[in-house]
Formats: sequence, structure tokens, C-alpha cells
Amino acid sequence: QLQLQESGPRLVKPSETLSLTCTVSGGSIDTPNYYWGWLRQPPGKGLEWIGSIYFSSTAYYNPSLNSRVALSIDTSKNQFSLSLSSVTAADTAVYWCASLLGVIDHWGQGIPVAVSS
Amino acid sequence: EIVLTQSPEFQSVTPKEKVTITCRASQNIGNSLHWYQKKPDQSPKLVIKYTSQSISGVPSRFSGAGSGTEFTLTINGLEAEDAAAYYCHQSSTLPWTFGQGTEVEIK
Repeated sequence: QLQLQESGPRLVKPSETLSLTCTVSGGSIDTPNYYWGWLRQPPGKGLEWIGSIYFSSTAYYNPSLNSRVALSIDTSKNQFSLSLSSVTAADTAVYWCASLLGVIDHWGQGIPVAVSS
Repeated sequence: EIVLTQSPEFQSVTPKEKVTITCRASQNIGNSLHWYQKKPDQSPKLVIKYTSQSISGVPSRFSGAGSGTEFTLTINGLEAEDAAAYYCHQSSTLPWTFGQGTEVEIK
């Protein structure tokens, strides 16, 4: 059974960079056809897709965040990461990593991240 | 970007009643429409994929239908454990987008 676990700081200062890592277990991150992604949900709001990455490092981003977001993948560690720069209070949210096979079929447990000084 | 509009935004339902949630897409997305159940402090859970495909472990009272731009999620015989927010999601075109959610409350 595929499992994903987010890790990283839960408090980030405004204008700094939010960095999260997702560790995948129960499966290999270089499995063909699987993408790996990040999603978030700000308090009281809906779900938002942030971006997705393939084991080849091909990545796709939400245009609403395109200039601030970068995904990376480390197949040797079975991990992938999110970097979101120049954060503001609007980036306060629960962040999830997930496996994507056309649909979002496995989710991590989620990590709440607050942007505050 | 494809906009998904769900209706209603809130529904209060008696146990054993039928619940129907609608999701309308701003353009044709074929059958690439999926439904997730989200409970407080939990991760979303896939309940229907590709409009009408069932998911292993999800009760058979959950079903989906539609195509193109109009889709529905039906819960036949609501149970107390079904109280949650439900979100539709399209994977037809990047960026992937979600509906704004429908809150289902048990009366």
C-alpha cells in the first residue's frame, strides 16, 4: 500500500520560502505513469492543485503560482519536494503531497503551514 | 482554466435519504471528472473516478454519472458517516481544478 508523508516547517515568515518534502513508501517513485503532486487548502476555502512532477523531473505548475513554485524529485531517496517562494499570509494552508495516476489516488496526511512573523 | 461549479453548496439530509450533488464544468471535460470526500482534519478520499467508476472500499451507495459538462454524485441511502464536504475535480486539462465543495450535513 502506497504511503506518503509530508515533512517540513509549520511556520514560515512572510517573504521567505516554504519548503516541504514528501517521502514515499510502499512503492517506487520512478514507477512509470505515476506523477507526484502537491495540493493545498487554505482555512475555510477549497482545494487547490499546486503542481505535479514525474520521475524524469518533468513538472507542471498551477499558473496562479507559476513564478513562485518549484518541484523537485530525488529518486534515490524516494522523495519529492515543494518550494514556494515569497510567501504571504494567503499561503497559509494545509499542504498535501499525493500520487497521481490520472486521479489523486493516494494522499499524505497533510501538514498545516502558517505564514506569520 | 476550467471552472467547476458545484450545487448546492450546503445540504442538510436525513439518514437514508438520497443525496445528489451536481458539478458543472465551464467546458467539455469528457469523463475526466472525479469526486472526493473530505472530513475535518482528514485527507480527502477518492470516492468516484472518471465520472462513474467505483473505488475499492467505497460503499456501493456512492455512484456517479454524467459526461461533457454536467456531472452528478449520488449517495443512495445516506448514513451518518457520510457527513463531509464533497469536491469534484477535473483532470482533463491543466491546471487541474476543483469545485468549491458541497457540505453534506446529517439532520
